[in-house]
Amino acid sequence: AQKVTQAQTEISVVEKEDVTLDCVYETRDTTYYLFWYKQPPSGELVFLIRRNSFDEQNEISGRYSWNFQKSTSSFNFTITASQVVDSAVYFCALSYNQGGKLIFGQGTELSVKP
Amino acid sequence: NAGVTQTPKFRILKIGQSMTLQCTQDMNHNYMYWYRQDPGMGLKLIYYSVGAGITDKGEVPNGYNVSRSTTEDFPLRLELAAPSQTSVYFCASSYSTQLSFYEQYFGPGTRLTVT
Repeated sequence: AQKVTQAQTEISVVEKEDVTLDCVYETRDTTYYLFWYKQPPSGELVFLIRRNSFDEQNEISGRYSWNFQKSTSSFNFTITASQVVDSAVYFCALSYNQGGKLIFGQGTELSVKP
Repeated sequence: NAGVTQTPKFRILKIGQSMTLQCTQDMNHNYMYWYRQDPGMGLKLIYYSVGAGITDKGEVPNGYNVSRSTTEDFPLRLELAAPSQTSVYFCASSYSTQLSFYEQYFGPGTRLTVT
């Protein structure tokens, strides 16, 4: 079965702290894709990153970085020097070989306080 | 480009009523999806389409119907609304092939309350 687990329901940090959001996935497929989406308080879903199962390189984009480890089935997301604007719900999602359907985790609500 | 647009933004339905949620994308994406998001939860797939004339069920299709007569439009029909269908509904689209699945772009959502 395909499944995504985000064990951290809520995280609260103070501005400028680093924070890591965990994501663990399950799939039997050898070809799959992992995504992170951000849902700010306004409610829209914003795409952050896509990673395919054959590319285990870590990625950095500004203050955001992602660590993909197939050995532990994890795709963790780190925000460096967090800012109040980072406050949102963050979703990890898995897509596999059936119509590109996304299986979402339950989300992690990040609150960054000034 | 407007991206993915959804109408209406909000709607209140009485139990047993029906309605259609509209979704249009202008990115010429071949794949389109409908998800629902219940409070404090991730999104769950209702229906999806890999091209005009082709639709398939997702994880939670009961109580819903879809059609895809054009590349751009993917309406979701609720028949005989029930309180369990109170949710936020998101439409999404992506360009994908049978071998590669790319990111989905989401509409702003429709907040539906059934009372």
